[in-house]
Amino acid sequence: DSGVTQTPKHLITATGQRVTLRCSPRSGDLSVYWYQQSLDQGLQFLIQYYNGEERAKGNILERFSAQQFPDLHSELNLSSLELGDSALYFCASSFGLAGGPGSYEQYFGPGTRLTVT
Amino acid sequence: SQQGEEDPQALSIQEGENATMNCSYKTSINNLQWYRQNSGRGLVHLILIRSNEREKHSGRLRVTLDTSKKSSSLLITASRAADTASYFCATVAKNDMRFGAGTRLTVKP
Repeated sequence: DSGVTQTPKHLITATGQRVTLRCSPRSGDLSVYWYQQSLDQGLQFLIQYYNGEERAKGNILERFSAQQFPDLHSELNLSSLELGDSALYFCASSFGLAGGPGSYEQYFGPGTRLTVT
Repeated sequence: SQQGEEDPQALSIQEGENATMNCSYKTSINNLQWYRQNSGRGLVHLILIRSNEREKHSGRLRVTLDTSKKSSSLLITASRAADTASYFCATVAKNDMRFGAGTRLTVKP
């Protein structure tokens, strides 16, 4: 158990809909990262937040957005969903005083499996 | 998009044998990391090697990095059935982290 929790575990929704994925980082970790893993694209870094502020952006679509709240939990919002958005979405956290993704060891959550029908 | 490319895509060995996986990349990096993923589960960080390092060890794991060839290798010695998983390399440059497609390792008991 990494200490990172993600909810929900599974999500099934229809095209055009909007969903919110939630992540609670390990206690004391200030950075949260979001990743998408799909058969087509593999594992992709989406976005990083550090202590409430956006720190780095990867291959995140404009239809997707994220935020990190004062209690450090984070949410990833996916809107106007398409079939191709079906994937595993992982959240990871690290202590990291600063620095972009990969500066510190990251601890991954179990993921949310999103199915868009 | 991916930067690292793992080789081989799949590897099947007997328990007790060594497993070697390779990762090649295209651009300059700050560090390179290896992760393990059991089927459908979250990734587990194995080793981080910085661009000015050539080799690192952690238990039965040995990672090498050759920045002149833009390649890295992960060696798992005395493999166990529990090592069966997918292994990914991730290259880190400035504010970007990119994963390879992974090597699927199967260790037969």
